Amino acid sequence: DTAVSQTPKYLVTQMGNDKSIKCEQNLGHDTMYWYKQDSKKFLKIMFSYNNKELIINETVPNRFSPKSPDKAHLNLHINSLELGDSAVYFCASSHTSGGAYNEQFFGPGTRLTVL
Amino acid sequence: GQNIDQPTEMTATEGAIVQINCTYQTSGFNGLFWYQQHAGEAPTFLSYNVLDGLEEKGRFSSFLSRSKGYSYLLLKELQMKDSASYLCAVRDGSSNTGKLIFGQGTTLQVKP
Repeated sequence: DTAVSQTPKYLVTQMGNDKSIKCEQNLGHDTMYWYKQDSKKFLKIMFSYNNKELIINETVPNRFSPKSPDKAHLNLHINSLELGDSAVYFCASSHTSGGAYNEQFFGPGTRLTVL
Repeated sequence: GQNIDQPTEMTATEGAIVQINCTYQTSGFNGLFWYQQHAGEAPTFLSYNVLDGLEEKGRFSSFLSRSKGYSYLLLKELQMKDSASYLCAVRDGSSNTGKLIFGQGTTLQVKP
């Protein structure tokens, strides 16, 4: 199946722990994104990489660190987890053509619960 | 600043037509997207407008007026499976990064 995949789908952890979420796309896209969707359903961009280069870095605590080993992967590492980090995290990807960014395809989401 | 407004909730009847409005004020504009998100699932792309006018795709149509900062999504012949959240998103034109700014979403409930 061609898609954007994320692991794990659910993540329950204690405050203060460090955790990672992985994302992979096999759509041949060159741009990948991380979004956070809070309890009020607002979807907010956190980071974006284009051809492994960081192009969007919103006001996110530096406990969050994205890593893109290649164009098909964008992982998110979170240090010292806090209660407020509980949310659904979505990975997405898109293709650029002629300098324009096309529609984004989203992964299934990772529901993070910090206790 | 960046602001995108949509109604929080709407209810409609199976077989009817519903229009979901979206108004936006952004520092730059490079296109408007509508996404559908069923509960517990990923957002999926529905439509894209960058020029003024109506784009039709089956039962779904989307309209854009850039001068008014306004868009709507029109759903015809509503089906129960159309019960979902509908997210309006503006692509930021002030930076060439493809950044999408999302509204809070409109939760549509379709009743028999």
